[in-house]
Amino acid sequence: DTGVSQDPRHKITKRGQNVTFRCDPISEHNRLYWYRQTLGQGPEFLTYFQNEAQLEKSRLLSDRFSAERPKGSFSTLEIQRTEQGDSAMYLCASSLGREQNIQYFGAGTRLSVL
Amino acid sequence: RKEVEQDPGPFNVPEGATVAFNCTYSNSASQSFFWYRQDCRKEPKLLMSVYSSGNEDGRFTAQLNRASQYISLLIRDSKLSDSATYLCVVNIGSSNTGKLIFGQGTTLQVKP
Repeated sequence: DTGVSQDPRHKITKRGQNVTFRCDPISEHNRLYWYRQTLGQGPEFLTYFQNEAQLEKSRLLSDRFSAERPKGSFSTLEIQRTEQGDSAMYLCASSLGREQNIQYFGAGTRLSVL
Repeated sequence: RKEVEQDPGPFNVPEGATVAFNCTYSNSASQSFFWYRQDCRKEPKLLMSVYSSGNEDGRFTAQLNRASQYISLLIRDSKLSDSATYLCVVNIGSSNTGKLIFGQGTTLQVKP
């Protein structure tokens, strides 16, 4: 499967714990995006990378959230001191720079904070 | 006011019906427009881009009205497999960064 892959698919954690999600984009795609989606809503932009550079962060991304893409390939999204309001589907997408609006999404990581 | 607004529905239509979804966006500097489709518990997938002159892909027709900041999607001869949530998507701003703004989505249920 050469699509966008995300791991884990599901994560259940207790409030206050830290969690980390991984995204592997389509191999030749230089742009990588993180979105968050809650029930009944469309995805909300969180941040994006071009290669290893993080170019934009949403105001939704509080100080507890950090994302990295150290070698311009896979990316990680870490949430520290999780809160119940962090419960959501976290979606990763990737695109080629010249076709940046055509984004291919992974299946997402569903986070439940108890 | 949300940046991209859609009627969440649901729209319940019989097979073979024609159904239209509308969407409005607030940022007049928006450059690119799309419809994505999301099946239940699945990831969003690009359905079609929306061009100023309007465009068609089989049974699907998309229209853009920049003056009214309005986008539409028309589905003709609805199939059961068209049942999904349709997300109106805009690339906000003139820099065309690839940062997509999604509407809430409109749910379509096609019934036999």
